[in-house]
Amino acid sequence: AQKVTQAQTEISVVEKEDVTLDCVYETRDTTYYLFWYKQPPSGELVFLIRRNSFDEQNEISGRYSWNFQKSTSSFNFTITASQVVDSAVYFCALSEIDTNAGKSTFGDGTTLTVKP
Amino acid sequence: NAGVTQTPKFQVLKTGQSMTLQCAQDMNHEYMSWYRQDPGMGLRLIHYSVGAGITDQGEVPNGYNVSRSTTEDFPLRLLSAAPSQTSVYFCASKKTGLAGGGPYTTDTQYFGPGTRLTVL
Repeated sequence: AQKVTQAQTEISVVEKEDVTLDCVYETRDTTYYLFWYKQPPSGELVFLIRRNSFDEQNEISGRYSWNFQKSTSSFNFTITASQVVDSAVYFCALSEIDTNAGKSTFGDGTTLTVKP
Repeated sequence: NAGVTQTPKFQVLKTGQSMTLQCAQDMNHEYMSWYRQDPGMGLRLIHYSVGAGITDQGEVPNGYNVSRSTTEDFPLRLLSAAPSQTSVYFCASKKTGLAGGGPYTTDTQYFGPGTRLTVL
């Protein structure tokens, strides 16, 4: 069975601070996808990034960066110079590729509050 | 291209009532799924479908039925609503490809806007 753990339930920072959201996963599969989604106060789920298990390169997109380390089963998300608009719940998710029709497992989410 | 649409956005039911949450996608995605989101928790899979005519149970299927008669639509039916089913429901879809003996996912899952359901 697969599992995704987001140990940080809530994080509060002041605008312009950097913040890292942790994600640790468990899976028996050797091939899988990892995702991050953002859920702003309006409630919709916004896709941020997908990473497959073959690709351990870190990725940067503007103020967002992701650190995937297969050795520690972690896929952490860093926001640089946080802004109030970054306030949201962030979910990490794991999706199998070859088994179980690619079902996804989500972590419980981290609520990020960025104060002005 | 509307993506994934859900209706209604809000619904209040009384215990014992039945209803259907509608979900449609116009991206020709084979895979569709229903999740529920409860306060402080992530999304839990209710049912999913890998194509028209094929459905299967997820993590929390009890009290819900689904069917998939077309690629576009994947309705979720609550047979006899209970207060424990008060939640936000999300429908999602993604493209899949076939490899070997079964389906595999090759793409990102896209979510509808959600339906907020309250059962009194």
